[in-house]
Amino acid sequence: AQKITQTQPGMFVQEKEAVTLDCTYDTSDQSYGLFWYKQPSSGEMIFLIYQGSYDEQNATEGRYSLNFQKARKSANLVISASQLGDSAMYFCAMREGGGGSYIPTFGRGTSLIVHP
Amino acid sequence: DAGITQSPRHKVTETGTPVTLRCHQTENHRYMYWYRQDPGHGLRLIHYSYGVKDTDKGEVSDGYSVSRSKTEDFLLTLESATSSQTSVYFCAIQPSGGDGELFFGEGSRLTVL
Repeated sequence: AQKITQTQPGMFVQEKEAVTLDCTYDTSDQSYGLFWYKQPSSGEMIFLIYQGSYDEQNATEGRYSLNFQKARKSANLVISASQLGDSAMYFCAMREGGGGSYIPTFGRGTSLIVHP
Repeated sequence: DAGITQSPRHKVTETGTPVTLRCHQTENHRYMYWYRQDPGHGLRLIHYSYGVKDTDKGEVSDGYSVSRSKTEDFLLTLESATSSQTSVYFCAIQPSGGDGELFFGEGSRLTVL
């Protein structure tokens, strides 16, 4: 079974609108972390945001926020006020456990296209 | 800048030839990873290292070996390349004391003919 599921292969959004990229996860650990990465067409992988399983508040980083719903095991990325430069692949990832090596597992990604 | 460089960035080779990809870091991080990226599969872990000479397998390790003789270098070797190993390979480091986030190299695009 996949540990990280991203059900949206592609998403489209109008510039300046908000968009939500879905991510659900599967783990039996109590301590875990969730991440989002961005991969623009140039190919590099960029770390965006992190949410810990014990964090009570949703993580935010500038225009990025993580809508963490623990009971539903979802960790959706919300991008507010989309910009053309947000067009990219977005990957959700999870690491399990609270110590030692954190080995992240990635979802298959969602392609986001921002229209002018 | 996480100080990670991969080489070569692009390589075309023939089936059956050996290939080594190098990942070099400048910040002495303990944990290093090799992933491959293929359309529709996201990133899949090949091997990882938790210190000099300490390595372990990931989910797609068949056909790959790794070595880490120095903290700063993590080598990925395809002993006999196959067309199914055509992919983009990413090296990543994971800072100790962080939350588990990864910082990636630029990627190495390998084509096996």
